[in-house]
Amino acid sequence: AQKVTQAQTEISVVEKEDVTLDCVYETRDTTYYLFWYKQPPSGELVFLIRRNSFDEQNEISGRYSWNFQKSTSSFNFTITASQVVDSAVYFCALSLGAGNNRKLIWGLGTSLAVNP
Amino acid sequence: NAGVTQTPKFRVLKTGQSMTLLCAQDMNHEYMYWYRQDPGMGLRLIHYSVGEGTTAKGEVPDGYNVSRLKKQNFLLGLESAAPSQTSVYFCASSQWTAEKLFFGSGTQLSVL
Repeated sequence: AQKVTQAQTEISVVEKEDVTLDCVYETRDTTYYLFWYKQPPSGELVFLIRRNSFDEQNEISGRYSWNFQKSTSSFNFTITASQVVDSAVYFCALSLGAGNNRKLIWGLGTSLAVNP
Repeated sequence: NAGVTQTPKFRVLKTGQSMTLLCAQDMNHEYMYWYRQDPGMGLRLIHYSVGEGTTAKGEVPDGYNVSRLKKQNFLLGLESAAPSQTSVYFCASSQWTAEKLFFGSGTQLSVL
């Protein structure tokens, strides 16, 4: 099975709290890419990060960090000291295959509300 | 740099009417995609193109047609709109298949 599961449908936090968005994927492929996208209330999806399956190093970008663990097939996203501007729907996606046969499998998204 | 531009942003159709959504990108990307987004369903791929003059079906192609006559444009057509096609439509482009997607701002379509 090839699947992306974002088990948290909605999360609500108070500003300055840390929050982790979970992403679990299923694939038998050894080569794949993982993505996170952000969809703010304005509607346009924005790319956040791409990680290939051979690079398990965690990544930090400002208040954002990503934890990729192949052993648990997870690619979790943490926002430190959340802000109201982080309120959005966040999507995790899995890219499989090769060339023009590559396909992108999306999770259903996690809606994050950061309250002042 | 405009990126990916979709027109129109909003449209209301009556059942049976036809319309075309236009997507234009100025990044010289080879790959272009049309998605629909519905509550609880996430993003579903309708059709995509791997280059000028090519099109291919995605997960939910029925009721839609596409054309890519020019590299920078990808058109999505509804020949006979149905209420089930009420959705938000997104166009996206990428330089190659495993690269990040650049999205347009979306088109909110209502079919009455």
